[in-house]
Amino acid sequence: SAVISQKPSRDICQRGTSLTIQCQVDSQVTMMFWYRQQPGQSLTLIATANQGSEATYESGFVIDKFPISRPNLTFSTLTVSNMSPEDSSIYLCSAPDPFSTDTQYFGPGTRLTVL
Amino acid sequence: QKEVEQNSGPLSVPEGAIASLNCTYSDRGSQSFFWYRQYSGKSPELIMFIYSNGDKEDGRFTAQLNKASQYVSLLIRDSQPSDSATYLCAVRVGNAGNMLTFGGGTRLMVKP
Repeated sequence: SAVISQKPSRDICQRGTSLTIQCQVDSQVTMMFWYRQQPGQSLTLIATANQGSEATYESGFVIDKFPISRPNLTFSTLTVSNMSPEDSSIYLCSAPDPFSTDTQYFGPGTRLTVL
Repeated sequence: QKEVEQNSGPLSVPEGAIASLNCTYSDRGSQSFFWYRQYSGKSPELIMFIYSNGDKEDGRFTAQLNKASQYVSLLIRDSQPSDSATYLCAVRVGNAGNMLTFGGGTRLMVKP
Protein backbone atom coordinates (compact mmCIF):
# COMPACT_ATOMS: atom_id res chain seq x y z
CA SER A 1 0.00 0.00 0.00
CA ALA A 2 1.02 3.62 -0.45
CA VAL A 3 2.32 5.44 2.61
CA ILE A 4 0.98 8.97 2.73
CA SER A 5 1.96 11.76 5.08
CA GLN A 6 0.33 15.13 5.58
CA LYS A 7 1.24 18.28 7.40
CA PRO A 8 0.19 20.04 9.40
CA SER A 9 -1.79 17.45 11.32
CA ARG A 10 -3.97 20.20 12.77
CA ASP A 11 -4.19 23.95 12.85
CA ILE A 12 -6.33 26.70 14.29
CA CYS A 13 -6.62 29.68 11.97
CA GLN A 14 -8.22 33.08 11.94
CA ARG A 15 -11.01 34.01 9.58
CA GLY A 16 -9.76 35.50 6.31
CA THR A 17 -6.37 33.82 6.35
CA SER A 18 -5.15 30.93 4.19
CA LEU A 19 -3.60 27.58 5.04
CA THR A 20 -1.58 25.32 2.78
CA ILE A 21 -1.68 21.60 3.47
CA GLN A 22 1.09 19.38 2.19
CA CYS A 23 0.78 15.75 1.11
CA GLN A 24 3.69 13.41 0.44
CA VAL A 25 3.41 9.90 -1.03
CA ASP A 26 6.20 7.34 -0.73
CA SER A 27 5.89 6.27 -4.37
CA GLN A 28 5.23 7.92 -7.70
CA VAL A 29 1.54 8.18 -8.54
CA THR A 30 -0.18 9.87 -11.44
CA MET A 31 -3.26 11.00 -9.54
CA MET A 32 -3.70 12.34 -6.05
CA PHE A 33 -7.00 13.30 -4.48
CA TRP A 34 -8.11 15.84 -1.93
CA TYR A 35 -11.18 15.17 0.22
CA ARG A 36 -13.01 17.11 2.88
CA GLN A 37 -14.75 15.49 5.82
CA GLN A 38 -16.93 17.85 7.77
CA PRO A 39 -17.80 17.01 11.37
CA GLY A 40 -19.94 13.90 11.56
CA GLN A 41 -20.08 13.59 7.78
CA SER A 42 -18.65 11.32 5.15
CA LEU A 43 -15.95 12.19 2.65
CA THR A 44 -16.51 14.62 -0.19
CA LEU A 45 -14.04 14.81 -3.06
CA ILE A 46 -12.72 18.34 -3.58
CA ALA A 47 -10.48 17.77 -6.58
CA THR A 48 -8.22 15.38 -8.44
CA ALA A 49 -4.63 16.53 -8.84
CA ASN A 50 -2.80 15.18 -11.87
CA GLN A 51 0.89 15.81 -12.28
CA GLY A 52 1.55 18.17 -15.16
CA SER A 53 -1.97 19.46 -15.60
CA GLU A 54 -4.58 21.58 -13.89
CA ALA A 55 -6.50 20.00 -11.05
CA THR A 56 -10.04 18.83 -11.78
CA TYR A 57 -12.54 20.24 -9.28
CA GLU A 58 -15.82 18.67 -8.25
CA SER A 59 -19.11 20.53 -8.24
CA GLY A 60 -19.19 23.08 -5.45
CA PHE A 61 -15.43 23.56 -5.26
CA VAL A 62 -13.47 26.20 -7.16
CA ILE A 63 -9.82 26.85 -7.81
CA ASP A 64 -9.85 30.32 -6.27
CA LYS A 65 -10.96 28.89 -2.93
CA PHE A 66 -8.94 25.65 -3.04
CA PRO A 67 -5.87 26.12 -5.23
CA ILE A 68 -3.89 22.91 -5.70
CA SER A 69 -0.32 22.34 -6.76
CA ARG A 70 1.17 19.10 -8.06
CA PRO A 71 4.82 19.79 -8.80
CA ASN A 72 5.90 16.15 -9.08
CA LEU A 73 4.65 12.57 -8.86
CA THR A 74 5.00 12.27 -5.08
CA PHE A 75 3.79 15.61 -3.72
CA SER A 76 0.76 17.89 -3.72
CA THR A 77 -0.53 20.86 -1.78
CA LEU A 78 -4.04 22.11 -1.12
CA THR A 79 -4.58 25.69 -0.01
CA VAL A 80 -7.74 26.72 1.80
CA SER A 81 -8.06 30.41 0.99
CA ASN A 82 -9.83 33.26 2.72
CA MET A 83 -11.05 30.89 5.39
CA SER A 84 -14.34 31.13 7.23
CA PRO A 85 -15.65 29.00 10.12
CA GLU A 86 -17.54 26.90 7.55
CA ASP A 87 -14.18 25.64 6.30
CA SER A 88 -13.53 23.93 9.64
CA SER A 89 -13.14 20.34 8.62
CA ILE A 90 -10.71 17.49 8.19
CA TYR A 91 -8.87 17.61 4.89
CA LEU A 92 -7.59 14.29 3.57
CA CYS A 93 -5.12 13.50 0.85
CA SER A 94 -5.50 10.22 -1.00
CA ALA A 95 -3.48 8.31 -3.57
CA PRO A 96 -3.84 4.97 -5.34
CA ASP A 97 -1.69 1.97 -4.62
CA PRO A 98 1.12 2.21 -7.21
CA PHE A 99 0.79 -1.53 -7.95
CA SER A 100 -3.00 -1.65 -7.94
CA THR A 101 -4.31 1.73 -9.02
CA ASP A 102 -7.85 0.61 -8.36
CA THR A 103 -7.36 0.93 -4.59
CA GLN A 104 -6.93 4.21 -2.74
CA TYR A 105 -5.22 4.97 0.53
CA PHE A 106 -5.56 7.99 2.74
CA GLY A 107 -3.15 10.20 4.58
CA PRO A 108 -3.69 10.89 8.29
CA GLY A 109 -5.63 14.08 7.58
CA THR A 110 -5.35 17.73 8.60
CA ARG A 111 -7.85 18.92 11.19
CA LEU A 112 -8.59 22.57 10.51
CA THR A 113 -10.45 24.86 12.89
CA VAL A 114 -11.29 28.38 11.73
CA LEU A 115 -12.20 30.91 14.39
CA GLN B 1 -31.39 10.20 -4.10
CA LYS B 2 -27.87 9.78 -2.79
CA GLU B 3 -25.54 7.81 -5.01
CA VAL B 4 -24.28 5.58 -2.20
CA GLU B 5 -26.48 4.98 0.82
CA GLN B 6 -25.75 3.46 4.18
CA ASN B 7 -27.72 3.30 7.39
CA SER B 8 -25.97 5.72 9.75
CA GLY B 9 -26.57 3.50 12.77
CA PRO B 10 -25.34 3.06 15.35
CA LEU B 11 -25.42 -0.69 14.82
CA SER B 12 -24.88 -2.35 18.14
CA VAL B 13 -23.83 -6.00 18.36
CA PRO B 14 -22.52 -8.08 21.27
CA GLU B 15 -18.94 -9.28 21.26
CA GLY B 16 -18.58 -12.50 19.28
CA ALA B 17 -21.63 -11.89 17.10
CA ILE B 18 -21.74 -11.26 13.36
CA ALA B 19 -22.04 -7.62 12.35
CA SER B 20 -23.75 -7.01 9.02
CA LEU B 21 -23.21 -3.68 7.31
CA ASN B 22 -25.15 -2.78 4.19
CA CYS B 23 -24.72 -0.38 1.31
CA THR B 24 -26.79 0.37 -1.78
CA TYR B 25 -25.72 2.34 -4.82
CA SER B 26 -27.64 3.98 -7.61
CA ASP B 27 -25.33 3.87 -10.64
CA ARG B 28 -25.54 0.55 -12.52
CA GLY B 29 -22.22 1.40 -14.17
CA SER B 30 -20.43 1.01 -10.84
CA GLN B 31 -17.66 -1.53 -11.14
CA SER B 32 -15.55 -1.44 -8.00
CA PHE B 33 -16.65 -1.48 -4.39
CA PHE B 34 -14.67 -0.74 -1.28
CA TRP B 35 -15.10 -0.87 2.46
CA TYR B 36 -13.13 1.48 4.67
CA ARG B 37 -12.97 1.51 8.46
CA GLN B 38 -12.58 4.83 10.23
CA TYR B 39 -11.84 5.08 13.90
CA SER B 40 -12.83 8.30 15.63
CA GLY B 41 -10.27 11.00 14.91
CA LYS B 42 -8.41 8.86 12.37
CA SER B 43 -8.37 8.66 8.59
CA PRO B 44 -10.17 5.91 6.64
CA GLU B 45 -8.38 2.58 6.36
CA LEU B 46 -9.09 0.24 3.43
CA ILE B 47 -10.20 -3.18 4.65
CA MET B 48 -11.87 -4.87 1.67
CA PHE B 49 -12.60 -4.43 -1.99
CA ILE B 50 -14.76 -6.49 -4.33
CA TYR B 51 -15.36 -6.37 -8.05
CA SER B 52 -17.41 -9.48 -8.90
CA ASN B 53 -20.78 -10.75 -7.79
CA GLY B 54 -20.62 -13.10 -4.84
CA ASP B 55 -18.59 -13.29 -1.68
CA LYS B 56 -15.00 -12.39 -0.93
CA GLU B 57 -13.50 -13.43 2.37
CA ASP B 58 -10.49 -12.03 4.20
CA GLY B 59 -10.04 -13.26 7.73
CA ARG B 60 -13.06 -12.26 9.79
CA PHE B 61 -14.36 -10.02 7.02
CA THR B 62 -16.60 -11.05 4.12
CA ALA B 63 -17.70 -8.65 1.41
CA GLN B 64 -20.79 -9.56 -0.58
CA LEU B 65 -21.77 -8.00 -3.89
CA ASN B 66 -25.05 -8.29 -5.78
CA LYS B 67 -24.94 -6.06 -8.85
CA ALA B 68 -28.47 -6.94 -9.92
CA SER B 69 -29.80 -5.57 -6.65
CA GLN B 70 -27.12 -2.83 -6.50
CA TYR B 71 -26.19 -3.95 -3.04
CA VAL B 72 -22.90 -4.54 -1.30
CA SER B 73 -22.44 -5.68 2.27
CA LEU B 74 -19.71 -6.34 4.79
CA LEU B 75 -19.95 -9.10 7.36
CA ILE B 76 -17.68 -9.11 10.37
CA ARG B 77 -17.55 -12.45 12.15
CA ASP B 78 -16.63 -12.83 15.81
CA SER B 79 -16.99 -9.08 16.33
CA GLN B 80 -14.58 -7.55 18.80
CA PRO B 81 -14.80 -4.26 20.72
CA SER B 82 -11.83 -3.12 18.61
CA ASP B 83 -14.09 -3.36 15.55
CA SER B 84 -16.13 -0.45 16.91
CA ALA B 85 -15.72 2.25 14.27
CA THR B 86 -17.50 3.88 11.36
CA TYR B 87 -17.55 1.77 8.21
CA LEU B 88 -17.61 3.62 4.91
CA CYS B 89 -18.79 2.09 1.67
CA ALA B 90 -17.21 3.53 -1.48
CA VAL B 91 -18.05 2.93 -5.11
CA ARG B 92 -16.24 3.67 -8.31
CA VAL B 93 -18.19 4.11 -11.53
CA GLY B 94 -16.49 2.60 -14.56
CA ASN B 95 -15.93 5.86 -16.41
CA ALA B 96 -14.98 7.97 -13.39
CA GLY B 97 -11.25 7.30 -13.46
CA ASN B 98 -10.10 6.65 -9.92
CA MET B 99 -12.81 8.79 -8.33
CA LEU B 100 -14.61 7.21 -5.40
CA THR B 101 -18.07 8.12 -4.16
CA PHE B 102 -18.56 7.48 -0.46
CA GLY B 103 -21.64 6.62 1.51
CA GLY B 104 -22.39 8.37 4.75
CA GLY B 105 -20.97 5.55 6.84
CA THR B 106 -22.41 3.20 9.45
CA ARG B 107 -21.25 3.47 13.03
CA LEU B 108 -20.68 0.04 14.55
CA MET B 109 -20.56 -0.51 18.30
CA VAL B 110 -19.42 -3.89 19.59
CA LYS B 111 -20.33 -4.30 23.24
CA PRO B 112 -18.21 -6.53 25.51
